[in-house]
Amino acid sequence: EPEVTQTPSHQVTQMGQEVILRCVPISNHLYFYWYRQILGQKVEFLVSFYNNEISEKSEIFDDQFSVERPDGSNFTLKIRSTKLEDSAMYFCARDGLGNSPLHFGNGTRLTVT
Amino acid sequence: QKEVEQNSGPLSVPEGAIASLNCTYSDRGSQSFFWYRQYSGKSPELIMFIYSNGDKEDGRFTAQLNKASQYVSLLIRDSQPSDSATYLCAVKEAAGNKLTFGGGTRVLVKP
Repeated sequence: EPEVTQTPSHQVTQMGQEVILRCVPISNHLYFYWYRQILGQKVEFLVSFYNNEISEKSEIFDDQFSVERPDGSNFTLKIRSTKLEDSAMYFCARDGLGNSPLHFGNGTRLTVT
Repeated sequence: QKEVEQNSGPLSVPEGAIASLNCTYSDRGSQSFFWYRQYSGKSPELIMFIYSNGDKEDGRFTAQLNKASQYVSLLIRDSQPSDSATYLCAVKEAAGNKLTFGGGTRVLVKP
C-alpha cells in the first residue's frame, strides 16, 4: 500500500490541453518530488518541493510545468499545454531528506493524443 | 552530466539461483545508493539502500557498495519467479536530494 496516492491513474488528453496530476500523501510530509518515465526509458527527475517552495528542478521542468500545494494536502503537477512527448508515467514521491530513501506513489499514466 | 549505468539485460536465471546485478555511477561524491524493483506499468518499489562501503543484507537481498570503484551491486538469492522485474539502481547526488536512476536491468527467473 503506497503512502502516496496519485490521481488519476490514467489520463488521456489532446495535444495543447492543460492537465493537472494530483498526489495526496497519507501522512504529513514536507518534501515531495515529481518524476516521470517515458515508456522504455529511465525514470527522470522533474522537480522537488520543500516547505511549499520549489527546491530544485531539472531542465525538463520548463515554463509549461508548475507545481502547487494549494490546500496544504494535495500536491499537484500542472502541464499547461501538453505535447505528444509529454506522454509518460508521472510519479510523485515523498521524503528523501539526507540519506533517507524516496517512496513513490502508484503513478499516473498520461497519454497525449 | 551525472550518469548511472546498468546492463539492460535481460538477465535470465533459473529458479533458486543467485541473480547478480551491477551498477556504476559517475558522481564520485555520491553518498546514498538505492535499489528499486519495478514491475511493468507499476511504480518503483524500494528494495534496499546502502550508504557505507561493504555489504548489507536484508532477507534474500544483499547490496554491495564500493565507493572507490564507483560500483554498487545487488544479489538476489534463491530467486523466485515473482522476482522477475526490472531492477533500478538510483544514486543520490552529493548536493541536493534528487535521485539519478539507471536504465534498469530486466531480470527473468525461469521455473
